[in-house]
Amino acid sequence: NAGVMQNPRHLVRRRGQEARLRCSPMKGHSHVYWYRQLPEEGLKFMVYLQKENIIDESGMPKERFSAEFPKEGPSILRIQQVVRGDSAAYFCASSPANNNSPLHFGNGTRLTVT
Amino acid sequence: ILNVEQSPQSLHVQEGDSTNFTCSFPSSNFYALHWYRWETAKSPEALFVMTLNGDEKKKGRISATLNTKEGYSYLYIKGSQPEDSATYLCAFSRSYIPTFGRGTSLIVHP
Repeated sequence: NAGVMQNPRHLVRRRGQEARLRCSPMKGHSHVYWYRQLPEEGLKFMVYLQKENIIDESGMPKERFSAEFPKEGPSILRIQQVVRGDSAAYFCASSPANNNSPLHFGNGTRLTVT
Repeated sequence: ILNVEQSPQSLHVQEGDSTNFTCSFPSSNFYALHWYRWETAKSPEALFVMTLNGDEKKKGRISATLNTKEGYSYLYIKGSQPEDSATYLCAFSRSYIPTFGRGTSLIVHP
């Protein structure tokens, strides 16, 4: 069984460009979480999605950030007009349900904004 | 903002030592407590999900206990091995969103 797949592993963007991070959950998992790890910080919740629905985006900045999980295809975290402060590791996790199932994490995307 | 505290921040032990660390969380509206192991250059891997006060879970040499009334969980490693070196994360949830602590970094010296 393939695990949670994130790509790219590393992404370099110049200030003002757009960053698109992709996450394919484990087979059979319909719940996706995005977390961000800033340097010297822990994992911070950003957004929780189910297929075609954003359930909770309370951890996501209101501007420039958006997320989707379409019926077909991976979940996408989009950051528009990136700034240096967006440089971080972004982790996606999936679970089969929201009933206290453990999260299965991808290897993360490390975004560097120059 | 949910406060999930882990201590110690880092720990160095010798191979064969037994060790434990703590996760503190709010004692109200408890839903679940997760433990994960995060090895360098890998992704976090689930160890336990605990939901009931007094719960004890075990996986090989690693075990965990849960006290929801006072808001803490302990993770124990018996007879530490170098391959146990990793960051151990706990995550507390009141609903469906786990909130993570900063982790305890464990280094086991051969």
